[in-house]
Amino acid sequence: SQQGEEDPQALSIQEGENATMNCSYKTSINNLQWYRQNSGRGLVHLILIRSNEREKHSGRLRVTLDTSKKSSSLLITASRAADTASYFCATDLGTYKYIFGTGTRLKVLA
Amino acid sequence: NAGVTQTPKFQVLKTGQSMTLQCAQDMNHNSMYWYRQDPGMGLRLIYYSASEGTTDKGEVPNGYNVSRLNKREFSLRLESAAPSQTSVYFCASSPPGTATQSGANVLTFGAGSRLTVL
Repeated sequence: SQQGEEDPQALSIQEGENATMNCSYKTSINNLQWYRQNSGRGLVHLILIRSNEREKHSGRLRVTLDTSKKSSSLLITASRAADTASYFCATDLGTYKYIFGTGTRLKVLA
Repeated sequence: NAGVTQTPKFQVLKTGQSMTLQCAQDMNHNSMYWYRQDPGMGLRLIYYSASEGTTDKGEVPNGYNVSRLNKREFSLRLESAAPSQTSVYFCASSPPGTATQSGANVLTFGAGSRLTVL
């Protein structure tokens, strides 16, 4: 089974609302990253949080990491239609292996 | 600056045929990766190459082989394609550096190669 599991699998919100998606993983990690994938495209890196960090911000993105619970959350504030995409967490196991979760499909309605 | 380039973008094969997916990066990255993406499964790591001259198995290596031709290029070969290998394949690369250095460990992806095996 996969290292990362995102929750929810799909999320539909109105423009201007906040979107929260969660990621759970199974083994110890060096860092956890979030990526975005627009339909039919490659993945684009959004933000990285290291195992000794608890919270990180980048623009409208806020990521938290709880290593005791092996979970992370990504918050997108004031969502826009352009945020419509799939979002994936990826765990760095420290051996050059990056394992991705199953993804959350976000739809932001204008 | 092209980043990560994959070829071909689309390919249709018959069961049993062989083919090679090509990947090249121009960012002087050390590490390169091959993932496959199937609906509802996210991305699964097939093989990776931590540095030139080394390759290692990922989560789903069966049915595939890889070659790290040089620092720039990392190819994925299907020796005898099966319908279960119908998927979108992504190549990615990451720069050298320690976990504490900015930009280290961040993956840059190619646009993907859509493979259909009939």
